[in-house]
Amino acid sequence: KNEVEQSPQNLTAQEGEFITINCSYSVGISALHWLQQHPGGGIVSLFMLSSGKKKHGRLIATINIQEKHSSLHITASHPRDSAVYICAVLTGANSKLTFGKGITLSVRP
Amino acid sequence: NAGVMQNPRHLVRRRGQEARLRCSPMKGHSHVYWYRQLPEEGLKFMVYLQKENIIDESGMPKERFSAEFPKEGPSILRIQQVVRGDSAAYFCASSPEADTQYFGPGTRLTVL
Repeated sequence: KNEVEQSPQNLTAQEGEFITINCSYSVGISALHWLQQHPGGGIVSLFMLSSGKKKHGRLIATINIQEKHSSLHITASHPRDSAVYICAVLTGANSKLTFGKGITLSVRP
Repeated sequence: NAGVMQNPRHLVRRRGQEARLRCSPMKGHSHVYWYRQLPEEGLKFMVYLQKENIIDESGMPKERFSAEFPKEGPSILRIQQVVRGDSAAYFCASSPEADTQYFGPGTRLTVL
Protein backbone atom coordinates (compact mmCIF):
# COMPACT_ATOMS: atom_id res chain seq x y z
CA LYS A 1 0.00 0.00 0.00
CA ASN A 2 1.38 3.41 -0.97
CA GLU A 3 1.93 5.89 1.80
CA VAL A 4 0.06 8.53 -0.21
CA GLU A 5 -3.06 7.61 -2.13
CA GLN A 6 -4.95 9.89 -4.47
CA SER A 7 -8.40 9.53 -5.92
CA PRO A 8 -9.85 9.45 -8.46
CA GLN A 9 -6.99 8.38 -10.73
CA ASN A 10 -8.28 10.27 -13.72
CA LEU A 11 -10.94 12.89 -13.86
CA THR A 12 -12.79 14.55 -16.70
CA ALA A 13 -14.99 17.55 -16.08
CA GLN A 14 -16.96 20.08 -18.06
CA GLU A 15 -15.91 23.70 -17.95
CA GLY A 16 -17.51 25.47 -15.01
CA GLU A 17 -17.90 22.40 -12.83
CA PHE A 18 -16.78 22.21 -9.22
CA ILE A 19 -13.98 19.66 -8.89
CA THR A 20 -12.68 17.81 -5.84
CA ILE A 21 -9.47 15.80 -5.74
CA ASN A 22 -8.70 13.72 -2.68
CA CYS A 23 -5.54 12.61 -0.95
CA SER A 24 -5.12 10.15 1.92
CA TYR A 25 -1.89 9.30 3.66
CA SER A 26 -0.85 6.70 6.18
CA VAL A 27 2.22 8.25 7.81
CA GLY A 28 2.83 11.04 10.25
CA ILE A 29 3.50 14.29 8.46
CA SER A 30 4.59 17.81 9.24
CA ALA A 31 2.82 19.31 6.23
CA LEU A 32 1.22 18.50 2.92
CA HIS A 33 1.82 19.98 -0.53
CA TRP A 34 -0.50 20.19 -3.49
CA LEU A 35 1.45 20.41 -6.73
CA GLN A 36 0.43 21.01 -10.33
CA GLN A 37 2.23 19.66 -13.38
CA HIS A 38 1.31 20.37 -16.98
CA PRO A 39 2.24 17.77 -19.62
CA GLY A 40 5.96 17.89 -20.26
CA GLY A 41 6.18 20.77 -17.89
CA GLY A 42 7.61 21.77 -14.58
CA ILE A 43 6.05 21.48 -11.17
CA VAL A 44 4.29 24.33 -9.44
CA SER A 45 3.57 24.28 -5.75
CA LEU A 46 -0.04 25.33 -5.24
CA PHE A 47 -0.34 25.00 -1.47
CA MET A 48 1.53 23.86 1.57
CA LEU A 49 -0.67 23.31 4.58
CA SER A 50 -0.45 21.66 7.96
CA SER A 51 -3.93 22.40 9.25
CA GLY A 52 -7.27 23.86 8.27
CA LYS A 53 -7.87 25.43 4.92
CA LYS A 54 -6.17 27.70 2.39
CA LYS A 55 -7.61 29.54 -0.60
CA HIS A 56 -5.95 31.04 -3.63
CA GLY A 57 -8.14 32.31 -6.41
CA ARG A 58 -10.38 29.47 -7.54
CA LEU A 59 -8.42 26.87 -5.62
CA ILE A 60 -9.15 25.72 -2.09
CA ALA A 61 -7.16 23.15 -0.12
CA THR A 62 -8.23 21.55 3.13
CA ILE A 63 -6.58 19.10 5.45
CA ASN A 64 -7.85 16.96 8.32
CA ILE A 65 -4.87 15.81 10.33
CA GLN A 66 -6.86 13.40 12.49
CA GLU A 67 -8.33 11.63 9.48
CA LYS A 68 -5.09 11.92 7.46
CA HIS A 69 -6.94 13.32 4.51
CA SER A 70 -6.70 16.38 2.30
CA SER A 71 -8.80 17.71 -0.54
CA LEU A 72 -8.12 20.13 -3.36
CA HIS A 73 -11.17 21.91 -4.74
CA ILE A 74 -11.34 23.84 -7.99
CA THR A 75 -14.30 26.15 -8.41
CA ALA A 76 -15.57 27.30 -11.84
CA SER A 77 -13.15 24.96 -13.59
CA HIS A 78 -11.54 26.02 -16.87
CA PRO A 79 -9.71 24.07 -19.60
CA ARG A 80 -6.44 25.68 -18.50
CA ASP A 81 -6.86 23.80 -15.20
CA SER A 82 -6.16 20.60 -17.14
CA ALA A 83 -3.02 19.17 -15.58
CA VAL A 84 -1.74 16.51 -13.22
CA TYR A 85 -2.38 17.30 -9.57
CA ILE A 86 -0.01 15.71 -7.13
CA CYS A 87 -0.34 15.40 -3.39
CA ALA A 88 2.94 15.16 -1.46
CA VAL A 89 3.59 14.87 2.26
CA LEU A 90 6.52 16.17 4.25
CA THR A 91 7.83 13.50 6.55
CA GLY A 92 10.74 13.04 8.88
CA ALA A 93 13.29 15.40 10.24
CA ASN A 94 14.73 16.06 6.80
CA SER A 95 11.37 17.10 5.37
CA LYS A 96 11.67 14.99 2.27
CA LEU A 97 8.55 14.71 0.18
CA THR A 98 6.66 11.49 -0.44
CA PHE A 99 4.38 11.78 -3.45
CA GLY A 100 1.10 10.36 -4.59
CA LYS A 101 0.90 9.15 -8.17
CA GLY A 102 -1.04 12.19 -9.23
CA ILE A 103 -4.41 12.65 -10.80
CA THR A 104 -4.83 13.65 -14.42
CA LEU A 105 -7.55 16.26 -14.72
CA SER A 106 -9.04 17.14 -18.07
CA VAL A 107 -11.51 20.02 -18.26
CA ARG A 108 -13.52 20.13 -21.48
CA PRO A 109 -14.74 23.42 -22.94
CA ASN B 1 14.26 36.87 -7.41
CA ALA B 2 14.82 34.20 -10.01
CA GLY B 3 13.29 30.83 -9.37
CA VAL B 4 15.08 27.52 -9.18
CA MET B 5 17.13 27.01 -12.31
CA GLN B 6 17.98 23.69 -13.84
CA ASN B 7 20.11 22.98 -16.86
CA PRO B 8 20.16 21.54 -19.27
CA ARG B 9 16.40 21.25 -19.77
CA HIS B 10 16.86 18.31 -22.11
CA LEU B 11 19.83 15.97 -22.19
CA VAL B 12 20.47 13.08 -24.55
CA ARG B 13 23.13 10.54 -23.75
CA ARG B 14 24.17 7.21 -25.19
CA ARG B 15 24.43 4.19 -22.95
CA GLY B 16 27.67 4.24 -21.00
CA GLN B 17 28.14 8.01 -21.09
CA GLU B 18 27.97 10.32 -18.10
CA ALA B 19 25.14 12.74 -17.39
CA ARG B 20 25.59 15.88 -15.30
CA LEU B 21 22.49 17.74 -14.18
CA ARG B 22 22.77 21.15 -12.58
CA CYS B 23 20.48 22.92 -10.16
CA SER B 24 20.84 26.50 -8.97
CA PRO B 25 18.61 27.10 -5.96
CA MET B 26 16.72 30.29 -5.33
CA LYS B 27 18.77 33.06 -3.78
CA GLY B 28 19.10 32.56 -0.06
CA HIS B 29 18.09 28.90 -0.18
CA SER B 30 20.58 26.49 1.34
CA HIS B 31 18.51 23.30 1.13
CA VAL B 32 18.37 21.34 -2.13
CA TYR B 33 16.36 18.23 -2.91
CA TRP B 34 16.57 16.02 -6.01
CA TYR B 35 13.62 13.98 -7.25
CA ARG B 36 13.20 11.60 -10.15
CA GLN B 37 10.07 11.03 -12.19
CA LEU B 38 10.20 7.86 -14.25
CA PRO B 39 7.85 7.53 -17.23
CA GLU B 40 4.32 6.70 -16.10
CA GLU B 41 5.40 6.77 -12.45
CA GLY B 42 5.21 9.23 -9.64
CA LEU B 43 7.99 11.39 -8.28
CA LYS B 44 10.50 9.77 -5.94
CA PHE B 45 12.89 11.37 -3.52
CA MET B 46 16.56 10.85 -4.29
CA VAL B 47 18.76 13.04 -2.12
CA TYR B 48 18.72 16.04 0.21
CA LEU B 49 21.74 18.33 0.46
CA GLN B 50 22.79 21.43 2.27
CA LYS B 51 25.87 23.41 1.34
CA GLU B 52 28.83 20.98 1.21
CA ASN B 53 26.86 18.25 3.00
CA ILE B 54 24.73 15.30 1.97
CA ILE B 55 22.01 15.09 4.60
CA ASP B 56 19.89 12.21 3.31
CA GLU B 57 20.70 10.03 0.30
CA SER B 58 18.32 7.21 1.11
CA GLY B 59 16.64 7.46 -2.29
CA MET B 60 19.79 7.34 -4.39
CA PRO B 61 20.62 4.17 -6.31
CA LYS B 62 23.64 2.54 -4.72
CA GLU B 63 25.81 2.68 -7.81
CA ARG B 64 26.54 5.19 -10.56
CA PHE B 65 24.63 8.09 -8.94
CA SER B 66 26.19 10.85 -6.89
CA ALA B 67 25.25 14.36 -5.85
CA GLU B 68 27.03 17.38 -4.48
CA PHE B 69 26.24 20.91 -3.43
CA PRO B 70 29.52 22.80 -3.21
CA LYS B 71 30.12 25.98 -1.28
CA GLU B 72 30.10 27.90 -4.55
CA GLY B 73 28.07 27.04 -7.60
CA PRO B 74 25.10 24.85 -8.37
CA SER B 75 24.18 21.47 -7.02
CA ILE B 76 25.18 18.66 -9.38
CA LEU B 77 23.51 15.30 -9.86
CA ARG B 78 25.90 13.00 -11.65
CA ILE B 79 24.99 9.73 -13.31
CA GLN B 80 27.86 7.61 -14.54
CA GLN B 81 27.60 4.96 -17.25
CA VAL B 82 23.97 5.75 -17.98
CA VAL B 83 21.54 2.99 -18.93
CA ARG B 84 18.16 3.22 -20.65
CA GLY B 85 16.41 2.84 -17.32
CA ASP B 86 17.87 6.18 -16.22
CA SER B 87 15.68 7.98 -18.76
CA ALA B 88 13.44 10.18 -16.66
CA ALA B 89 12.69 13.72 -15.62
CA TYR B 90 14.90 14.91 -12.80
CA PHE B 91 13.61 17.76 -10.68
CA CYS B 92 15.35 19.70 -8.01
CA ALA B 93 13.70 21.80 -5.37
CA SER B 94 15.11 24.30 -2.94
CA SER B 95 13.97 25.78 0.34
CA PRO B 96 15.27 28.38 2.78
CA GLU B 97 14.53 26.07 5.67
CA ALA B 98 13.35 22.48 5.57
CA ASP B 99 9.77 23.38 4.69
CA THR B 100 8.14 24.83 1.56
CA GLN B 101 9.99 23.58 -1.48
CA TYR B 102 10.19 25.44 -4.76
CA PHE B 103 10.66 23.29 -7.82
CA GLY B 104 12.81 23.85 -10.86
CA PRO B 105 11.60 23.15 -14.40
CA GLY B 106 13.32 19.77 -14.51
CA THR B 107 15.86 18.11 -16.75
CA ARG B 108 14.55 15.47 -19.10
CA LEU B 109 17.20 12.83 -19.64
CA THR B 110 16.94 10.48 -22.59
CA VAL B 111 19.35 7.59 -22.85
CA LEU B 112 19.67 6.11 -26.32
